Amino acid sequence: DGGITQSPKYLFRKEGQNVTLSCEQNLNHDAMYWYRQDPGQGLRLIYYSQIVNDFQKGDIAEGYSVSREKKESFPLTVTSAQKNPTAFYLCATRWGQGPYEQYFGPGTRLTVT
Amino acid sequence: QKEVEQDPGPLSVPEGAIVSLNCTYSNSAFQYFMWYRQYSRKGPELLMYTYSSGNKEDGRFTAQVDKSSKYISLFIRDSQPSDSATYLCAMSEGQAGTALIFGKGTTLSVSS
Repeated sequence: DGGITQSPKYLFRKEGQNVTLSCEQNLNHDAMYWYRQDPGQGLRLIYYSQIVNDFQKGDIAEGYSVSREKKESFPLTVTSAQKNPTAFYLCATRWGQGPYEQYFGPGTRLTVT
Repeated sequence: QKEVEQDPGPLSVPEGAIVSLNCTYSNSAFQYFMWYRQYSRKGPELLMYTYSSGNKEDGRFTAQVDKSSKYISLFIRDSQPSDSATYLCAMSEGQAGTALIFGKGTTLSVSS
């Protein structure tokens, strides 16, 4: 069954703890993205990776870190430095190197208290 | 001025109505235009993808791009309650590796 998997669907953490969100894909897509979605804010790009072992900061990278050791996986770590981490996090993939459309995973809702 | 503007709504229509959703943009270099549908607490789902100006039709959905006016539209004919969702426009300049720029989304409610 092809697709993009994000786990868990809901995640709860205490303030000051780092947390890692998982994103796995078996679509053989080259590029992977992390977005954050807040009510009324739309989608904001955190990090993206076009190939293995390479990634670039998006518009709101502060307080986040990523790795891309395998083509299939692009985990996002929300660190304690992120001032307002509670949000809906979306992972997306894109085939090829062109400006092609992106496909999204189901998302992870992170709540930090 | 933000790069992509989209009226957040909410937009409420009766079942069977024709719905028009719109985005305006400021960057004349945008060439690729997409519409996504997002149900509550789900990931966005790609609905339509168009390149440059013109129309594209897929079932009850029609996407229009007017690059001269920097304006894109999504029309939904014979709207159904299952169309109730948030609709996001997205666009790209087209160079390899460039990210998509999203509108904030319009929330649509179709009542039966």
